[in-house]
Amino acid sequence: AQKVTQAQTEISVVEKEDVTLDCVYETRDTTYYLFWYKQPPSGELVFLIRRNSFDEQNEISGRYSWNFQKSTSSFNFTITASQVVDSAVYFCALSEAKGAQKLVFGQGTRLTINP
Amino acid sequence: DAGVTQSPTHLIKTRGQQVTLRCSPKSGHDTVSWYQQALGQGPQFIFQYYEEEERQRGNFPDRFSGHQFPNYSSELNVNALLLGDSALYLCASSLALEGTDTQYFGPGTRLTVL
Repeated sequence: AQKVTQAQTEISVVEKEDVTLDCVYETRDTTYYLFWYKQPPSGELVFLIRRNSFDEQNEISGRYSWNFQKSTSSFNFTITASQVVDSAVYFCALSEAKGAQKLVFGQGTRLTINP
Repeated sequence: DAGVTQSPTHLIKTRGQQVTLRCSPKSGHDTVSWYQQALGQGPQFIFQYYEEEERQRGNFPDRFSGHQFPNYSSELNVNALLLGDSALYLCASSLALEGTDTQYFGPGTRLTVL
């Protein structure tokens, strides 16, 4: 069975600090997808990134970066120079690469950026 | 480009009643998935509809049922409501191409059962 663990329930930092959100996953599939979604107070899940299990290259998008390490089954998310607008709940998710590709979510990490 | 829309935004029901939630997928998408998110938890997969049929189902009782229409929109029905059904119900749409199935979510319907 697939499982995603986000051990950090809540993180609070001061604006402009860097912050890393941890994600560890379990799956028996050799091919799968990993995702990060952001959920602001409005409730809508906003897609941030999808990573194929064959692509371990790290990715950077502006202040956001993702570190995928298959050897440790981790897919961590770093926000550089955090801003108040980054405050939200962040979810890591896993899906199989075939069929319905249902998303299995972690419990989420509530990130608060203080001014 | 219209995103995923859901209606209603909020809903209050009493135990034993039935409820219908609606979802219109993002333009160009043909697959709709439904998730239940209890307070403080991650979303849980309910089921997915593709070509007007249930493609896969999560660990939810038969009280939860759905439908997909020819225009790809979808409904989620919940019968005999329980207090534990109170949650945010999220609809996600995607395009059923193998290996490219990123799901985009709507704003959700918050259901409160009293």
